[in-house]
Amino acid sequence: DAGVTQSPTHLIKTRGQQVTLRCSPKSGHDTVSWYQQALGQGPQFIFQYYEEEERQRGNFPDRFSGHQFPNYSSELNVNALLLGDSALYLCASSLDAGSSYEQYFGPGTRLTVT
Amino acid sequence: TQLLEQSPQFLSIQEGENLTVYCNSSSVFSSLQWYRQEPGEGPVLLVTVVTGGEVKKLKRLTFQFGDARKDSSLHITAAQPGDTGLYLCAASTGEYGNKLVFGAGTILRVKS
Repeated sequence: DAGVTQSPTHLIKTRGQQVTLRCSPKSGHDTVSWYQQALGQGPQFIFQYYEEEERQRGNFPDRFSGHQFPNYSSELNVNALLLGDSALYLCASSLDAGSSYEQYFGPGTRLTVT
Repeated sequence: TQLLEQSPQFLSIQEGENLTVYCNSSSVFSSLQWYRQEPGEGPVLLVTVVTGGEVKKLKRLTFQFGDARKDSSLHITAAQPGDTGLYLCAASTGEYGNKLVFGAGTILRVKS
């Protein structure tokens, strides 16, 4: 039973560039959430996708956008990268029908903006 | 202002000692989760508590949800070096209940 997978593992980009991160949810899960974790902090909620639509969004600018595909996998896109976007980007999957709101995280993508 | 306040921020103890980590808030939550995260990895779910006053045990780890569902604690008995990591509490919020808000975490270091 495959858990949550993310790609790439590491990424180095330059200010102003655009980046796409990918996530495959745990088998049987239909909801994907994205989080940003800066060094020494807890993860911060970016947004959540369900039924191929953005359902909830945190306090992140429109430079952060996403997509969910029919197979429930998801992408996170960040445009016009800033130095402050350097962080560990985590994808978490869950089952919308679940009553305990448990989310399972992938290993993350470490993004460095120079 | 952090919705969830974790304390202490950092804990360094000897193998075999006991410890307690706290997660406090002024808000009421439908559920609260504890995660453990190692450097360069994603958080791993340890437990979910949903009922006020609930106590759950996972081997040497004991988790408690406050009666008013505003706070939680994690107690580790006879800590081992393998317990080293970042411990995060997270609360379910949002319209659909599955938007997680995290505390800043407690870094635990267990020395052998």
